[in-house]
Amino acid sequence: KNEVEQSPQNLTAQEGEFITINCSYSVGISALHWLQQHPGGGIVSLFMLSSGKKKHGRLIATINIQEKHSSLHITASHPRDSAVYICAVYNTDKLIFGTGTRLQVFP
Amino acid sequence: GAVVSQHPSRVICKSGTSVKIECRSLDFQATTMFWYRQFPKQSLMLMATSNEGSKATYEQGVEKDKFLINHASLTLSTLTVTSAHPEDSSFYICSASSLSGGSFEQYFGPGTRLTVT
Repeated sequence: KNEVEQSPQNLTAQEGEFITINCSYSVGISALHWLQQHPGGGIVSLFMLSSGKKKHGRLIATINIQEKHSSLHITASHPRDSAVYICAVYNTDKLIFGTGTRLQVFP
Repeated sequence: GAVVSQHPSRVICKSGTSVKIECRSLDFQATTMFWYRQFPKQSLMLMATSNEGSKATYEQGVEKDKFLINHASLTLSTLTVTSAHPEDSSFYICSASSLSGGSFEQYFGPGTRLTVT
């Protein structure tokens, strides 16, 4: 069993839909990172959080430390949101990555 | 956020040659740099961690003589793939972090796609 599990693995949506990607982890963490990787390969950091909730534009990330669970929400999804979303947790000084969620948003 | 660059973005080389990939932190001093490898449709795999001025710490299964890492300054780390073979073809990503201000957040470079023919 992976230490960081994401669901779903693949997700398709119609433009405008509300999207949720889930991340569960089984190790102790100091913080959790949500990353976005576009088809070209570059990785963009969306959020780093250790408690509560963060919002940036149409993106919202929440984390529940007791339940070892985090969610990434995208409101009013757009085709440009199509990418792989990766959850990664900081365990000591290293990042442990989830396997990613491939999102496709159709117009 | 902080900016990390990688050069080159793409490289094609012949089997048996060596390839150097550079990772630079452009607007902060990176006390630690990380090198990752990513195969198609898979997650990132940590290869090694390097701290400025000291030897890199390699993950289990990563050959230190094949993947030479140098972190000579607080803004530059290099990964050299020596005697490259087709199985070394992959996407290599670096990240950098700085402990200043108590933050250990990693900032990722855009990656380098290596193809060995």
